[in-house]
Amino acid sequence: DTGVSQDPRHKITKRGQNVTFRCDPISEHNRLYWYRQTLGQGPEFLTYFQNEAQLEKSRLLSDRFSAERPKGSFSTLEIQRTEQGDSAMYLCASSFGQGAGETQYFGPGTRLLVL
Amino acid sequence: GQNIDQPTEMTATEGAIVQINCTYQTSGFNGLFWYQQHAGEAPTFLSYNVLDGLEEKGRFSSFLSRSKGYSYLLLKELQMKDSASYLCAVRLLEYGNKLVFGAGTILRVKS
Repeated sequence: DTGVSQDPRHKITKRGQNVTFRCDPISEHNRLYWYRQTLGQGPEFLTYFQNEAQLEKSRLLSDRFSAERPKGSFSTLEIQRTEQGDSAMYLCASSFGQGAGETQYFGPGTRLLVL
Repeated sequence: GQNIDQPTEMTATEGAIVQINCTYQTSGFNGLFWYQQHAGEAPTFLSYNVLDGLEEKGRFSSFLSRSKGYSYLLLKELQMKDSASYLCAVRLLEYGNKLVFGAGTILRVKS
């Protein structure tokens, strides 16, 4: 069990550019979540996959955001035409759906700064 | 809407006991989780409660009262490394078991 990994760990970009983040969940975890966290706040849910199916999207996820999990393993989160308000920590979490005991484990996050 | 409240900051002394409270008003409750988050790092799982009562894991204990919409995290024998933000999160049965987080309680442990 190598834990959830995310790449890159840090990203600085200029407003209007596109960025893509990658998340590799714990192997055999069928559920994958994306959250966004800003300074002084708890993580906010963005979207969720069960295997390769994207089953839920938050209203926070505007049309500029898209996420995929093509083979039910790793996932990517893309932000198009970035805005300064997109600056945040983007966290990925994975879990194995098993009822009441299901626990989400978080990756180290990708910190995005939009200039 | 979903609402989770916890104190913004707390300070405690090394070796002491501290209790961090969390109250919640959510729909579709399916468990309450506590995570620890050091500055600039990812949240790490501490404990969870689905049923009322106390769950103990070493120096950490968590309590839940579903009828009161209330939980607390108890940290014993505080160490300097316990200085961190503690996040209370409610898991919703709907919406794919997503977690709704409070803003976190920053705990400062002083010597």
